[in-house]
Amino acid sequence: DAGVTQSPTHLIKTRGQQVTLRCSPKSGHDTVSWYQQALGQGPQFIFQYYEEEERQRGNFPDRFSGHQFPNYSSELNVNALLLGDSALYLCASSPRGLRETQYFGPGTRLLVL
Amino acid sequence: AQTVTQSQPEMSVQEAETVTLSCTYDTSENNYYLFWYKQPPSRQMILVIRQEAYKQQNATENRFSVNFQKAAKSFSLKISDSQLGDTAMYFCAFTSPYSGGGADGLTFGKGTHLIIQP
Repeated sequence: DAGVTQSPTHLIKTRGQQVTLRCSPKSGHDTVSWYQQALGQGPQFIFQYYEEEERQRGNFPDRFSGHQFPNYSSELNVNALLLGDSALYLCASSPRGLRETQYFGPGTRLLVL
Repeated sequence: AQTVTQSQPEMSVQEAETVTLSCTYDTSENNYYLFWYKQPPSRQMILVIRQEAYKQQNATENRFSVNFQKAAKSFSLKISDSQLGDTAMYFCAFTSPYSGGGADGLTFGKGTHLIIQP
């Protein structure tokens, strides 16, 4: 049984560009959450999706947007990249009925130059 | 807003020893969930243990157990018979679905870097 998968593993962008990160949840999971983890810090919650809608959002600007597809996979989009957006982006999925319990993918390392 | 505090930036113990990592949190909610996650150098975040606030019994998972003190808002992790593979960053996390409109974003502490010495 495959766990949470994310693509790409690494990405390099320049300031002002746009980026899309992808996540596939574990089988049987319908909820996807996204986190940003700066170096040496704990993850910060960006937003959570289930039933193809954004259900909760952390303290992140509108440059961060997302989408959930009917197969429960999800995308995180970041527009107008800033140097400060350089971080590890983690996706987590949760099973139906246990939305609070989150299982993480390996992350995407984004470097903005 | 909820906060999670881990006061030990780094800890180091010998293999086979027992180690306890501290976590305190602040919330006005009565029902919530607490977690410990492990993040080895490979960076994959792994769920170690889960505690439901309305359950009095402390959660255990093999060598990992917690000491949950609800009144003190304390949630420590004990690792028994520590192994070299336990070397990792350990994060304490909190969520209360009752305050987020039914959604469950996790609030994390800053982490404790645990080093197991051979």
